[in-house]
Amino acid sequence: EADIYQTPRYLVIGTGKKITLECSQTMGHDKMYWYQQDPGMELHLIHYSYGVNSTEKGDLSSESTVSRIRTEHFPLTLESARPSHTSQYLCASSDDRGLWTEAFFGQGTRLTVV
Amino acid sequence: RKEVEQDPGPFNVPEGATVAFNCTYSNSASQSFFWYRQDCRKEPKLLMSVYSSGNEDGRFTAQLNRASQYISLLIRDSKLSDSATYLCVVNRQAGTALIFGKGTTLSVSS
Repeated sequence: EADIYQTPRYLVIGTGKKITLECSQTMGHDKMYWYQQDPGMELHLIHYSYGVNSTEKGDLSSESTVSRIRTEHFPLTLESARPSHTSQYLCASSDDRGLWTEAFFGQGTRLTVV
Repeated sequence: RKEVEQDPGPFNVPEGATVAFNCTYSNSASQSFFWYRQDCRKEPKLLMSVYSSGNEDGRFTAQLNRASQYISLLIRDSKLSDSATYLCVVNRQAGTALIFGKGTTLSVSS
């Protein structure tokens, strides 16, 4: 089993609230990622990080922000949640062994904004 | 055009059938290739990497054609437990994140 954890697993929250989705891994991986996945749709990369103090935006434009202050922790924040943010958010990590490294995923956070 | 495209599916097959999934990628600079499996409402997990020489893992065979930018996955003797969505995944270059296809859903029935 991969040692990568996301909290909360499910979140229902009102429009306009600030939320932070937590992601932690204990594998010492430098690389971490956030993907967004709607039901029946593909995973879209929204943020990634190569290591501490490194963050990059992914292919899918997102109003969320991320930070990487510690290797093991990669939280995602939405300053003002909207119904359009309703989706599943998946965090992943991988080590830095080159092209063929495996990405390990957390169990995801299902966010519903009402 | 999406960077990674897969057969839309779903594929509904009986136990014991052989099924093949296809995938194409648009970025010729892509350097590594994978198949991931995602069970319903679960996270994706690596099924196998796809090397230029092709590779086999039990009932699963993956092949890569760089010239055609085409990746395939063959599952022989399908089991009920093979029912899942199979994701074609591409890594553009070292140090970047994985790009996922939409996935092809397989349903194996008894």
